[in-house]
Amino acid sequence: ETGVTQTPRHLVMGMTNKKSLKCEQHLGHNAMYWYKQSAKKPLELMFVYNFKEQTENNSVPSRFSPECPNSSHLFLHLHTLQPEDSALYLCASSQDQGFDTEAFFGQGTRLTVV
Amino acid sequence: DAKTTQPPSMDCAEGRAANLPCNHSTISGNEYVYWYRQIHSQGPQYIIHGLKNNETNEMASLIITEDRKSSTLILPHATLRDTAVYYCIVTSPLISGGYQKVTFGTGTKLQVIP
Repeated sequence: ETGVTQTPRHLVMGMTNKKSLKCEQHLGHNAMYWYKQSAKKPLELMFVYNFKEQTENNSVPSRFSPECPNSSHLFLHLHTLQPEDSALYLCASSQDQGFDTEAFFGQGTRLTVV
Repeated sequence: DAKTTQPPSMDCAEGRAANLPCNHSTISGNEYVYWYRQIHSQGPQYIIHGLKNNETNEMASLIITEDRKSSTLILPHATLRDTAVYYCIVTSPLISGGYQKVTFGTGTKLQVIP
């Protein structure tokens, strides 16, 4: 248990569906992240939020829409996804201050787009 | 962030020490060396980190060379549950804008053999 909780753990959705992934942490962290892990590929950083402001968007398609209503919650809204978007989506959080803090990851949401 | 180079895979006999190397020859003075591991289909787990000095915690030891261009993660008594992909990462909040930005490579797949 890392203190970062992701729901749902598994999700199957059609290409025309709209769904949302949720991430929650009560570690007092102000930085939150979305990562994507496709089969046989390294984890890819998608978005970074620091103090609820989006600070990084690594060329992610607009069919992925993040939302950070407060520093404890992070959402990833999904719409009109493609089968190649099937992957493990991981949320992480870290302390925003200090030079040597680590990131805490959730267990991930296994997404299958059919 | 500095690039890291790790062997793609390693085997280790159960009960023996696992020594996982990492090269980071372009590391800058304010970058830390972090190690994470990912057990199949789970989120990455923080193991240990360091700047200059060797570090030890309940999970592992980290040996950083004096020139900081390489490091070794040591699992002193590997168990079957240590079978995972181990990632060596160098990063610093000073570079990423105050927050911890973890960029993963392909890592080393450690197989602990009974």
